[in-house]
Amino acid sequence: SQTIHQWPATLVQPVGSPLSLECTVEGTSNPNLYWYRQAAGRGLQLLFYSVGIGQISSEVPQNLSASRPQDRQFILSSKKLLLSDSGFYLCAWSFPGRVTEAFFGQGTRLTVV
Amino acid sequence: DAKTTQPNSMESNEEEPVHLPCNHSTISGTDYIHWYRQLPSQGPEYVIHGLTSNVNNRMASLAIAEDRKSSTLILHRATLRDAAVYYCILSPLLNEKLTFGTGTRLTIIP
Repeated sequence: SQTIHQWPATLVQPVGSPLSLECTVEGTSNPNLYWYRQAAGRGLQLLFYSVGIGQISSEVPQNLSASRPQDRQFILSSKKLLLSDSGFYLCAWSFPGRVTEAFFGQGTRLTVV
Repeated sequence: DAKTTQPNSMESNEEEPVHLPCNHSTISGTDYIHWYRQLPSQGPEYVIHGLTSNVNNRMASLAIAEDRKSSTLILHRATLRDAAVYYCILSPLLNEKLTFGTGTRLTIIP
């Protein structure tokens, strides 16, 4: 069976500090991978998605970047965090070639202070 | 991507059926209708999806209008654990991404 791991669960970072959130998927090959953000009281915003190693599509311009160094590893990064980067970050995966069902991680709650 | 419209919030009594509506008047012939729900402080979870015919699974039923311009997610007997934000999403089958709207916040009244 497939599992998705996302860590850390919570994170408090000062403004201007770097960020690295990691997500890994087990039990499947070449998954589609996604990063979403949810600001407090808001809906889910798709930030990045990837259909293969090194292939990253950005949905919105922002202070963040994503990388996929391995088939089942997806990393969300920032060089310098802003207060507006606070939120609930969710990683997800789906089977390659289609989005019939997406599977989400437990999320990272990031607070930038 | 085709747009969906859902009520911001709904309330329902515990142990009664719940009908969550979704309008998607610009749906295309290849768009599947997906429903997800998000419990507090958790990631979304898949509920159900369909194309043209009504669908049933252990969690819910999906009723799709004949013209496909609207659909309804049916929870047959709501429990307190069904309190969540419910998202209706359109996506072609061979698509790479799911775009969420703001969804319907469902409150279950004991």
